[in-house]
Formats: sequence, C-alpha cells, structure tokens
Amino acid sequence: QVQLQESGPGLVKPSETLSLTCTVSGYSISSGYYWGWIRQPPGKGLEWIGSIYHSGSTYYNPSLKSRVTISVDTSKNQFSLKLSSVTAADTAVYYCARDYHYSDENWFDPWGQGTLVTVSS
Amino acid sequence: SYELTQPPSVSVSPGQTARITCSGDALPKKYAYWYQQKSGQAPVLVIYEDSKRPSGIPERFSGSSSGTMATLTISGAQVEDEADYYCYSTDSSGNHRRVFGGGTKLTVL
Repeated sequence: QVQLQESGPGLVKPSETLSLTCTVSGYSISSGYYWGWIRQPPGKGLEWIGSIYHSGSTYYNPSLKSRVTISVDTSKNQFSLKLSSVTAADTAVYYCARDYHYSDENWFDPWGQGTLVTVSS
Repeated sequence: SYELTQPPSVSVSPGQTARITCSGDALPKKYAYWYQQKSGQAPVLVIYEDSKRPSGIPERFSGSSSGTMATLTISGAQVEDEADYYCYSTDSSGNHRRVFGGGTKLTVL
C-alpha cells in the first residue's frame, strides 16, 4: 500500500527557509494523483499548505502562497516543501499526504507520520 | 475565505451515540470528509464523500449531510474512539482550496 515519510531539519532559525521532503513508497508519483502538505501547530488544528500534481501544477493556501513552493521529483518519487521567511508561528508538525482526486472532489489519504519543525534561534 | 465550523468538544458515556457536526456554506455542493486523530498520531480518514466508510473503519462510524451541515455519528461510542475529529471539504468557488474544520475533541467516559 501507499506509504509516505517526511524528512528534513527539525529546527529552523527565524527568517530562514524551512525545507521538507516527502518520500512515497508503494506507488509511483508519476502515475497520477495530487500530493499535499498539511501542518498542525502544537495544540491546534490542521491547516492545508498546498498540493502538487505529478505533472508539477500546484495549488496553494492563499494565506501562505507568497512564502510557499512545492515541487516534485518523479525520478526519486519525492515531493518537497519550501516555506520562506519563517517565524515562530510556523512551528508545527508538518504532514505530507496523497491528495486523492476524483471528479472535482479531493481528500487526503493516506498521511505520513508527520515531522515536528520548530522555528527558534 | 471559506470556513468549516465544528463544536470544540463533545462528551458521551461509553455505549452512547456521539454526534459531531460541521457547517459550511459549500456543503450543499461539495462532499464532507471526516478524520480521526488520536493523541500523537497522524489523522486517519474515517468517512469520505459524506457517508462512505473506508476499509477497516468500524461500522459504528457513519456520516450524513443535509444542506449546509454534515454530521459524523459514532453509534455505541467506545473508549478507544476518544480523539480529535476534523471535518474537511473543498471550496466550491473553483479555486481548489482545501479546508479543515477547527476540530472537535470527543471525550468518552
């Protein structure tokens, strides 16, 4: 079955760029589907960051769009997140997930286990 | 911006029926989805397309939707169902925006 695993630094300094990678196993990204990033600040709810199609087309949360870049590397079966100019408010558990798309509906399933990223000097 | 509204908390005794609501203006046009998140774990899909159960999800979990409100029902809630539940849907305006509700803490005791 499809499995996803996030990786990247657990600590990022304020004003720097947060970079995470999601490695997909059990399915070839180039075969289809969108792939997404979601985050969850400690003790708070879920927030969609953005999604990318295997071809590279992207959709971003308007509230984060100016700072977010999501890319895909089909040769490595990975997709990545970059969030620039981070502040303490970007401290969160970051999840990657398959953004399952059917007709004009989509939902996230399955999810990676998540990785905590702390923004602190 | 599009929002989905959930009650912050719901509490039931074991064996009772728990109902968690989610309201959103686009729900008459878009499906609702429900995720269960237990402490320290990633969210798990328990209901998709308003009322369908993924493989492996117990039959006591069901979903419905009418007008601008979707409802997750747990019939005969178990202690192990204690978790945060999030509804999810998409904006119907064509902007492809994915939206989560604020989450509901279900306590079973």
